[in-house]
Amino acid sequence: DVVMTQSPLSLPVTLGQPASISCRSSQRLVYSDGNTYLNWFQQRPGQSPRRLIYKVSNRDSGVPDRFSGSGSGTDFTLKISRVEAEDVGIYYCMQGTHWPPTFGQGTKLEIK
Amino acid sequence: EVHLVESGGGLVKPGGSLRLSCATSGFSFSDYSISWVRQAPGKGLDWVSSISNSSSYTYYADSVKGRFTISRDNARNSLYLQMSSLRAEDTAVYYCTTLKLGITPDYWGQGTLVTVSS
Repeated sequence: DVVMTQSPLSLPVTLGQPASISCRSSQRLVYSDGNTYLNWFQQRPGQSPRRLIYKVSNRDSGVPDRFSGSGSGTDFTLKISRVEAEDVGIYYCMQGTHWPPTFGQGTKLEIK
Repeated sequence: EVHLVESGGGLVKPGGSLRLSCATSGFSFSDYSISWVRQAPGKGLDWVSSISNSSSYTYYADSVKGRFTISRDNARNSLYLQMSSLRAEDTAVYYCTTLKLGITPDYWGQGTLVTVSS
């Protein structure tokens, strides 16, 4: 199975400051159709996961534009340009290129 | 509005069985493959099983293969997970999700807690 490794696992951030989460895969995530199936999810405390980003850099409907995704091959990044209180939670990357789908360990974002 | 509502969780003894259900509405259920993803207490997300839109294909994580069976009823817009030979390590919140990879919107239920303990 493809191993997804996130860093850091804990991310204290001051309100209004930027945040960045790294996700590395053990195999390249380019599928045979040319797409890279790398999603980012947010899980707020007590809530179900919610997809934020699909195919590396595409924001889901309703996701604030302070969230952005980038990367290629095996290295991917989720950035929050200015952290707000509602961003507290755990963030997961997930690959869907190789079967079975696999998730990173999660990065817990908290307000400093 | 889209809804996915899981049910059937609870406390079960090791070796026991449980059947989870996921009732859906608000989207074209029969067009979607659907998955179960679980989350052990305080832990991350783990894919468990998936089923294609017409039930032609089913997939399982190695950890549940031979013990869990996924199924669906497109007439009822519902997904199921029959779990048997349950182990303590199966204790988790089980989410029903479309787990989409592309532009198609992605939906998740609120989860149902399964606790395997004597």
